[in-house]
Amino acid sequence: NAGVTQTPKFQVLKTGQSMTLQCAQDMNHEYMSWYRQDPGMGLRLIHYSVGAGITDQGEVPNGYNVSRSTTEDFPLRLLSAAPSQTSVYFCASSLGDSSTDTQYFGPGTRLTVL
Amino acid sequence: DAKTTQPNSMESNEEEPVHLPCNHSTISGTDYIHWYRQLPSQGPEYVIHGLTSNVNNRMASLAIAEDRKSSTLILHRATLRDAAVYYCILRKPSGTYKYIFGTGTRLKVLA
Repeated sequence: NAGVTQTPKFQVLKTGQSMTLQCAQDMNHEYMSWYRQDPGMGLRLIHYSVGAGITDQGEVPNGYNVSRSTTEDFPLRLLSAAPSQTSVYFCASSLGDSSTDTQYFGPGTRLTVL
Repeated sequence: DAKTTQPNSMESNEEEPVHLPCNHSTISGTDYIHWYRQLPSQGPEYVIHGLTSNVNNRMASLAIAEDRKSSTLILHRATLRDAAVYYCILRKPSGTYKYIFGTGTRLKVLA
């Protein structure tokens, strides 16, 4: 199993540009989520999905869109990049949402918006 | 949401045990205590979790206070590879898919 994969590893954007961060998992997990991590901070939840076709907002959803057309993939779209979106983005997945389920994280995408 | 409080940083010598504390005084009776760690330039990885009883696995031990208002992650023999940020997280019962990551404890291991 490759686990959770993310592409690209690094990306530089100009203000106003749009892009999609890719996330895929091969563990047949129903739950997937996107986090951002700013320097010296913990992770903050952007959006999450509890299964194909079902998504919901986390703590900091503004400026981001998601969709979940398959169990495996959960892309994150930046609609119009802003310098405040400079961050490291992590995708995660888990089998379920019970108290004992654990999350598996991808290696992250480091995004810089100029 | 129940919050956790951890020291910002700790240091340990290599090969010595490390006790990483976490306070969660507003924990609910059904909240599980999870620990994750984040190695430099990597995503977080699961370490251990528990509800009431102390737990052991190949990575660490989790000691939970009798009143559950605090817990301690124990690394029995710290290695340089254990240098990371350690996060203590409370997980609610199913239906609330939300992990609240604080700023964690940055563990420095000295050779």
